[in-house]
Amino acid sequence: GAVVSQHPSRVICKSGTSVKIECRSLDFQATTMFWYRQFPKQSLMLMATSNEGSKATYEQGVEKDKFLINHASLTLSTLTVTSAHPEDSSFYICSARDRRQGFDSGSPLHFGNGTRLTVT
Amino acid sequence: RKEVEQDPGPFNVPEGATVAFNCTYSNSASQSFFWYRQDCRKEPKLLMSVYSSGNEDGRFTAQLNRASQYISLLIRDSKLSDSATYLCVVSLSGGYQKVTFGTGTKLQVIP
Repeated sequence: GAVVSQHPSRVICKSGTSVKIECRSLDFQATTMFWYRQFPKQSLMLMATSNEGSKATYEQGVEKDKFLINHASLTLSTLTVTSAHPEDSSFYICSARDRRQGFDSGSPLHFGNGTRLTVT
Repeated sequence: RKEVEQDPGPFNVPEGATVAFNCTYSNSASQSFFWYRQDCRKEPKLLMSVYSSGNEDGRFTAQLNRASQYISLLIRDSKLSDSATYLCVVSLSGGYQKVTFGTGTKLQVIP
């Protein structure tokens, strides 16, 4: 089945530093990838939709200057948490749809294994 | 009202029991529905899609009720390995790929 690789799986950083998270589709091309954040005992919240070759679309309340998204190729999207603060500590997960399945919300998402960010 | 609502549980059931979860959604334009399973501190994994006519995959049965705007998941003959959080996922149609996750229902199967 489709595989989405996310790296790193765990990162601890100091307040004020930036952290980059990579999301790669290994055996399919994804024109669109999604970035989610999940706080303990809460549901996944969509942060932004990453579109290959164009600007990301951010959800309401998500600061685009703080969470920088780059989708440089059909297999790679990156999320950079800039000037991280302890309140940014969370579980970040990316997901992607196989491009061959078309622009159709009926196709399921393939998730990366997630990145647990801890900001001290 | 939340877009997608689930009873958070936990549902504690003995091995071999049958358990059912419901999920309600608020947007009547929703077109695609899924059940995902999430183990603690892991990424969600697709359990099954939910089709209008209802569908079954082994011990798992999913149903959709558009009139009442809810979907359900039935698990028969529960196994210890079924212990997880089950996420209801709803997606809009028309090429808009945003999906909305429920908070999940936690299931604990007890020996």
